[in-house]
Amino acid sequence: QKEVEQNSGPLSVPEGAIASLNCTYSDRGSQSFFWYRQYSGKSPELIMFIYSNGDKEDGRFTAQLNKASQYVSLLIRDSQPSDSATYLCAATGGSYIPTFGRGTSLIVHP
Amino acid sequence: KAGVTQTPRYLIKTRGQQVTLSCSPISGHRSVSWYQQTPGQGLQFLFEYFSETQRNKGNFPGRFSGRQFSNSRSEMNVSTLELGDSALYLCASSLGGGVSYEQYFGPGTRLTVT
Repeated sequence: QKEVEQNSGPLSVPEGAIASLNCTYSDRGSQSFFWYRQYSGKSPELIMFIYSNGDKEDGRFTAQLNKASQYVSLLIRDSQPSDSATYLCAATGGSYIPTFGRGTSLIVHP
Repeated sequence: KAGVTQTPRYLIKTRGQQVTLSCSPISGHRSVSWYQQTPGQGLQFLFEYFSETQRNKGNFPGRFSGRQFSNSRSEMNVSTLELGDSALYLCASSLGGGVSYEQYFGPGTRLTVT
């Protein structure tokens, strides 16, 4: 059973702080990893994807991948109240079927 | 470029009825996947179609079926609806090749079964 685990939260951070969201996966064959943001009542929106070990930066977002530890993280710098949402982590392997985590709720308070 | 569209956005059906949901992917995308999202189970994969063929299937009963047309538009059908089928049904499109597999979701169809 392939699993992607995330802490459900909520993770509460003050405006301007760095929010750190974490995700672990069970399938060592996973090759691609995705972070989606989902606002309440809306559909998931792709934020970032990462395939290689290390860091990948896009604006205020940094994805980090450590395949040896089977760990993926998303850092959000200078967090804004508009970043308050549920963040879904997903992993895909050879079948290309993404396995999604249950998501972490992030609250950025002014 | 237009995003993924889904129709209808909201639907109320009675137990035992059937329902058909429609999805139009992003232009050029050949892969369409369907998901069911509920508060209790999260986002669960139903099936994926690529070039009119079902390429992958999740662990859902045969009451859930789908198809894809030559223009990549896809439909999902649920027969003999049960109360537990009430959920947000999401369609996602992707170019469909290689390990990149970035998926872009439509707005979803909110199905309520009474």
